[in-house]
Amino acid sequence: LAKTTQPISMDSYEGQEVNITCSHNNIATNDYITWYQQFPSQGPRFIIQGYKTKVTNEVASLFIPADRKSSTLSLPRVSLSDTAVYYCLVVSGGGADGLTFGKGTHLIIQP
Amino acid sequence: GAGVSQSPSNKVTEKGKDVELRCDPISGHTALYWYRQSLGQGLEFLIYFQGNSAPDKSGLPSDRFSAERTGGSVSTLTIQRTQQEDSAVYLCASSKRTASGSFTDTQYFGPGTRLTVL
Repeated sequence: LAKTTQPISMDSYEGQEVNITCSHNNIATNDYITWYQQFPSQGPRFIIQGYKTKVTNEVASLFIPADRKSSTLSLPRVSLSDTAVYYCLVVSGGGADGLTFGKGTHLIIQP
Repeated sequence: GAGVSQSPSNKVTEKGKDVELRCDPISGHTALYWYRQSLGQGLEFLIYFQGNSAPDKSGLPSDRFSAERTGGSVSTLTIQRTQQEDSAVYLCASSKRTASGSFTDTQYFGPGTRLTVL
């Protein structure tokens, strides 16, 4: 079971780049790293997923070092609407253990 | 297109009563998941369905919890003899499950059912 650790909360300002790091020291070979975003009173929404190096989409980038024991979600030029809880998951085909989201990181963006 | 829907959106019940929560997944999605989110906490995996395979019930907290999925589509989560600690938001998600045996497929979540047990 690849348990994840991420900061409970972070603050930033509009227009800044925000980086949220997740530790997953026990990640297995067939595990993928996935990030979800959750707004109050809504279900989580998929942001990005990666296995190694760097993945980028229209919303974010995901940086994964060679040892894969951590990953960093990068949100460019955040706005107030990016205030949400961000969850890091390590999931694989090995079982449902990785489907527990943990408490996530509460990101607060200020004007 | 239509997303995952859940009903009811809110449910208030008395301790000891049974409740049923419904989930309608996205059409064509073969995988369906149930989670529980207590106040201020992350999501706790409960149960997973994939096609006609036996469900993965490894996350169910007690035998008071059960779920079924009829015809590979709609799912019902049943909580018998509800307790106050069952109060939480129950979230359902579905995915296409494009890769056999993989949980890496994107999950699409419904808005949840807020359950309050008095």
